[in-house]
Amino acid sequence: DSGVTQTPKHLITATGQRVTLRCSPRSGDLSVYWYQQSLDQGLQFLIQYYNGEERAKGNILERFSAQQFPDLHSELNLSSLELGDSALYFCASSPGTADTQYFGPGTRLTVL
Amino acid sequence: ILNVEQSPQSLHVQEGDSTNFTCSFPSSNFYALHWYRWETAKSPEALFVMTLNGDEKKKGRISATLNTKEGYSYLYIKGSQPEDSATYLCASLGGTSYGKLTFGQGTILTVHP
Repeated sequence: DSGVTQTPKHLITATGQRVTLRCSPRSGDLSVYWYQQSLDQGLQFLIQYYNGEERAKGNILERFSAQQFPDLHSELNLSSLELGDSALYFCASSPGTADTQYFGPGTRLTVL
Repeated sequence: ILNVEQSPQSLHVQEGDSTNFTCSFPSSNFYALHWYRWETAKSPEALFVMTLNGDEKKKGRISATLNTKEGYSYLYIKGSQPEDSATYLCASLGGTSYGKLTFGQGTILTVHP
C-alpha cells in the first residue's frame, strides 16, 4: 500500500458523458501527478500539480482538466468522453517536484 | 535517443537465473532516471531513483547502474524468483521537466519455477 488513494476503482460510462476521478496523496506529499495507461500504450504523463499549482503538463487533451485543492487532494475531470478514453488512470504523489513517485491503485474507466 | 526505450520487450527465465535489461534515455538535459516494478493487477512500485553518472543502487537481489553520458541504465536481478515476475519500467526526468516522467514501454519478466 503506497498511501495514495484513488476513487472510484472502476467507472463505466457512456460516450459524451463527464466523469471526475479523485486522488488523495500520501500524507506530507505536495506533488500530485496524473497518468493514463491505454491498451497497448505505456504510462503517459498527463499533468502535475505542486501545492495547488500546475507545474508540468503532458499531452493532456483539452477535454481533460485537473486541479489540486488546498487539502492537497486532486481531481481529474474528463468530459465529452470518447471510446478511446477508456484506460487505467493512475495518480501518483511525491514530497517535492522531482522525487520518487508513489502510485495509487488506479481508476479503470470504461467508456461504452 | 529522443524517447525512453527498453529492451528486451519480454524475457522468460528459469528460477535461479540471473538476468538484466536495458533502458536507453536522452542524455542531454538529464536530471534523473527512475526504475519501477509493476506487478499484474497492482500499481507501479518505485525501485530506484538515480541521478549521478556511475551511480549504482541495490535493493536485495536487484541492482541498477547508470551511465548519463551515453544515456543508458541496466537493471540486474540475481537469482530470479517467480515473485520477481513483473513489468519493469524505467522513466527519465529531464532537467526542465519538473516531475514529468517519460516512461519506457517496459520489460515483461516471467520467471518459471
